[in-house]
Amino acid sequence: QVQLQESGPGLVKPSETLSLTCTVSGGAISSHYWSWIRQPPGKGLEWIGYIHYTGSTIYNPSLKSRVTLSIDTSKTQFSLKMNSVTAADTAVYYCMRSFKGAYWGQGTLVTVSS
Amino acid sequence: QAVVTQEPSLTVSPGGTVTLTCGSSAGAVTSGHYPYWFQQKPGQAPRTLIYDTNNKHSWTPARFSGSLLGGKAALTLSGAQPEDEADYYCLLSDSGIPWVFGGGTKLTVL
Repeated sequence: QVQLQESGPGLVKPSETLSLTCTVSGGAISSHYWSWIRQPPGKGLEWIGYIHYTGSTIYNPSLKSRVTLSIDTSKTQFSLKMNSVTAADTAVYYCMRSFKGAYWGQGTLVTVSS
Repeated sequence: QAVVTQEPSLTVSPGGTVTLTCGSSAGAVTSGHYPYWFQQKPGQAPRTLIYDTNNKHSWTPARFSGSLLGGKAALTLSGAQPEDEADYYCLLSDSGIPWVFGGGTKLTVL
């Protein structure tokens, strides 16, 4: 069974860059769509973007100018970088594999605060 | 970018049936949107119930089913159980364009 695990700093200062990694086990990373999704406290889910195993990306237009996704098939990892963060970026961040089904990581809380 | 609309809240009686819907401001939802349905309980990560309109994961209870209904994606729960009380989100995932979540439906079993 495929498993996904998010990792990265839980606290980021305003104006700095948020960096998260999703490590995939139990399945190949050289297929499917690999997404990042976030959920601010008490709010709904927001799709950030996906990277296809070929490296092609699609981003949420509202975040596109600040977000970069990358994939490292040799490490079975994919990553999220979001620059110029503010308190509004405080959220639980999830990674997800999709295509013929969807598997989620457990999520990681990132707080933006000085 | 389309806005995806769900009922903010619904209530179902134990053993009853309820249908949650997922509409798009861009027009009718079709199988080409590859609709997903996720269940989220407090403090937990979302769990996928339905993908590609009506396909279930191995863990999806048989009482949940997905369909297209009146230009929307639909999730029907037949024989509601107390443990089905949760938030439910749909996702429309067209190929090559940004994906969009609905705002979620808070389902109460009462």
